[in-house]
Amino acid sequence: DIQMTQSPSFVSASVGDRVTITCRASQGINRQLGWYQQKPGKAPKLLIYATSTLQSGVPSRFSGSGSGTDYTLTISSLQPEDFATYYCQQGVSFPLTFGPGTKVEIK
Amino acid sequence: EVQVVESGGGLVPPGGSLRLSCVVSGFTFSDYWMFWVRQAPGEGLVWVSRLNNDGRSTNYADSVRGRFTITRDNAKNTLHLQMNSLRAEDTAVYYCASGLRSYYFDYWGQGIQVTVSS
Repeated sequence: DIQMTQSPSFVSASVGDRVTITCRASQGINRQLGWYQQKPGKAPKLLIYATSTLQSGVPSRFSGSGSGTDYTLTISSLQPEDFATYYCQQGVSFPLTFGPGTKVEIK
Repeated sequence: EVQVVESGGGLVPPGGSLRLSCVVSGFTFSDYWMFWVRQAPGEGLVWVSRLNNDGRSTNYADSVRGRFTITRDNAKNTLHLQMNSLRAEDTAVYYCASGLRSYYFDYWGQGIQVTVSS
């Protein structure tokens, strides 16, 4: 199974800040990496798939990059509605696996 | 607009069974994979199962293989998860999700609570 790790596990940031979250896979995943946003009590929402492709309707302040085993999600200017938990997920083989999550909180 | 609506959750004793259902609208259900994902209280997301578009190919997490069965009725745009021999560690919110992007979960239901407890 491919193990996914994320860092940091917690981010304290202010509106307008640039935030970067890192995801690492235990083996190369050929850029098959997705990012999800989850707010408390709500279902997750797909933000980005295949490393850098924005899902329809997702604001352009979200971007993704990476290759091999290392990937990043960047929020260029944090907005109030972006405070949430973010998960990465590998999409290359079963079992599909998620990272443990990064909680972005208001500073 | 895509809609995904789960039903069938509840409280069940250890060893019991439950059947979750998920009705989908807004896309051609029979063309795409479907998934179940769960989230235990205060925990992260865990993929549970996947079913291909014609219902003939399945994948399961090791933790549920042999106890859970995923099926679909393409005529009714409905996905099911039959859960048998339930354990306390199966307690979670279960989400139904579509796989229009194959290996990614692009549209999610609101989630349904399953609690396994005596």
